[in-house]
Amino acid sequence: DTAVSQTPKYLVTQMGNDKSIKCEQNLGHDTMYWYKQDSKKFLKIMFSYNNKELIINETVPNRFSPKSPDKAHLNLHINSLELGDSAVYFCASSQVPLKGRSNEKLFFGSGTQLSVL
Amino acid sequence: QKEVEQNSGPLSVPEGAIASLNCTYSDRGSQSFFWYRQYSGKSPELIMSIYSNGDKEDGRFTAQLNKASQYVSLLIRDSQPSDSATYLCAVTIGPNTGNQFYFGTGTSLTVIP
Repeated sequence: DTAVSQTPKYLVTQMGNDKSIKCEQNLGHDTMYWYKQDSKKFLKIMFSYNNKELIINETVPNRFSPKSPDKAHLNLHINSLELGDSAVYFCASSQVPLKGRSNEKLFFGSGTQLSVL
Repeated sequence: QKEVEQNSGPLSVPEGAIASLNCTYSDRGSQSFFWYRQYSGKSPELIMSIYSNGDKEDGRFTAQLNKASQYVSLLIRDSQPSDSATYLCAVTIGPNTGNQFYFGTGTSLTVIP
């Protein structure tokens, strides 16, 4: 069973279109994230949700709207796509351990390569 | 975006040598520190975590943390061609309700056979 699954794996679209990326985790984690990785491999946090509530929105344009219907799902909708949105988008999840930090870990999905033409 | 800095490389080492990767971070509230490895076209995978000052060894990997200097490093002994990848340093900042993982820019490592 895949722990963090995101779809689609590849997304090719025209400028101005609206698209969505879906993410699901079956690990029972409370926290989910969206990261954007550019061509230089910089992995930038976009959003963080804890138990369906937005924790972080790191200066992301409001064309990007995350939606968390339950704590196992965090989808990303992008309006009016621009060339600069081309990147790999990773969904991830984590669980703060009840005691100590020995098992704190970020689990990644396989990524969605978005190409805006 | 909290600052986590790494030399982007590329770093090239011969097979069998020690590869040394460095990372600095700006937020003194950083709590936990991680090294992830990412092969081309794949997602990052965790290889080391460290939470307190000093060294932590796991097989050929040693992580070193110095909170006073806000510095964390990764040593890879007996480097193998299969170690060729991008190495990402990450730190967590924030309250316990959903720690926030911030990544550095990554260092590209090539191990030459």
